Amino acid sequence: KAGVTQTPRYLIKTRGQQVTLSCSPISGHRSVSWYQQTPGQGLQFLFEYFSETQRNKGNFPGRFSGRQFSNSRSEMNVSTLELGDSALYLCASSLAKPGPDTQYFGPGTRLTVL
Amino acid sequence: DQQVKQNSPSLSVQEGRISILNCDYTNSMFDYFLWYKKYPAEGPTFLISISSIKDKNEDGRFTVFLNKSAKHLSLHIVPSQPGDSAVYFCAASGAGNTPLVFGKGTRLSVIA
Repeated sequence: KAGVTQTPRYLIKTRGQQVTLSCSPISGHRSVSWYQQTPGQGLQFLFEYFSETQRNKGNFPGRFSGRQFSNSRSEMNVSTLELGDSALYLCASSLAKPGPDTQYFGPGTRLTVL
Repeated sequence: DQQVKQNSPSLSVQEGRISILNCDYTNSMFDYFLWYKKYPAEGPTFLISISSIKDKNEDGRFTVFLNKSAKHLSLHIVPSQPGDSAVYFCAASGAGNTPLVFGKGTRLSVIA
């Protein structure tokens, strides 16, 4: 079974631009979560989508948004990029079954904002 | 306010010995705990998990112990191998569809 895939793997943007990252979950997984990883901050939860609806949201400004499509693929968008948005953006998928639910991560997209 | 804490940023262990990575949590509503391993420029890889109804779960060289009264869990790797050198993250979630909360990670170096 193929794992979680994320595109692109690397991205360089300048301040003020906007960016869209894509995530394809493991086949059969219905939940997709997004995380930001920066040095010293660990993995910070951005949001989770399930059945095309945002189910949970972390403490990030409205410049960060996402969506999920009917095939469970997800995109996240960051508008008006700031230098501090430079990070590794990770997507994780899970079955979203009742009870303990394990998330499986993609390789991430490394975003650099200049 | 960190709900999941990994107080050791780094750990060095000799090949063949035991590696013990520790994690503390503050939220008593957490009932599912996971360990992930991460290499540079890659996403975290799921290693092992434990639910709050157990106090131990074993998978090959990896064992996770949970002490609910102390709100503490640990990951034991025996024997440690050079390929185990990576950053290890502890994560926790509560009942229902609550997001995972991660610690900041412990960098393990296994020396040959």
